[in-house]
Amino acid sequence: DAMVIQNPRYQVTQFGKPVTLSCSQTLNHNVMYWYQQKSSQAPKLLFHYYDKDFNNEADTPDNFQSRRPNTSFCFLDIRSPGLGDAAMYLCATSGPPGLAGGHHKYEQYFGPGTRLTVT
Amino acid sequence: RKEVEQDPGPFNVPEGATVAFNCTYSNSASQSFFWYRQDCRKEPKLLMSVYSSGNEDGRFTAQLNRASQYISLLIRDSKLSDSATYLCVVSRSNDYKLSFGAGTTVTVRA
Repeated sequence: DAMVIQNPRYQVTQFGKPVTLSCSQTLNHNVMYWYQQKSSQAPKLLFHYYDKDFNNEADTPDNFQSRRPNTSFCFLDIRSPGLGDAAMYLCATSGPPGLAGGHHKYEQYFGPGTRLTVT
Repeated sequence: RKEVEQDPGPFNVPEGATVAFNCTYSNSASQSFFWYRQDCRKEPKLLMSVYSSGNEDGRFTAQLNRASQYISLLIRDSKLSDSATYLCVVSRSNDYKLSFGAGTTVTVRA
């Protein structure tokens, strides 16, 4: 089945120790997104890639970076995690219409998330 | 003002009941509307897209009111498995980016 995969599912890191979260997709979607979600809050968009073009949200801290080496993979790097960065990190994808499954152009499909704990 | 606002609930309903709730959005240029479902500590999953004429998917009915800028979701014949948080999602002016509400929690009791 086509899907969005995130690894690891749970990540514990120390305050200030860099961490990388990964996302891969078999949907062949051209847009990939990273969201941060804290308890009882809406998912907050950090940035997204439209094909190879990186788009940062204005309020995303510089501490958060991303890489997309190819269509299938996208990484979220947190350079110096703080206690306030503990959250669920969600990767999502969306693609143009006409792909297998007839996805609506702007529907987003989420991976299972990585729950980050900062100690 | 938040881009998407929802009543957080919780809406506590017995099995078999009908439950309905709305969300409002601030961007009149929004073109795409969705309801997502999110279970505790899980990822959001697309429940249904919302079309201008309103649409139904089994026990779920969604309505869009562009003039008043709100979207509604109605669940008929509630099941225990419908217990979840329902996220109202609206496209931004740049359509492939979405704005999420914080969700409405529904609890269906036996």
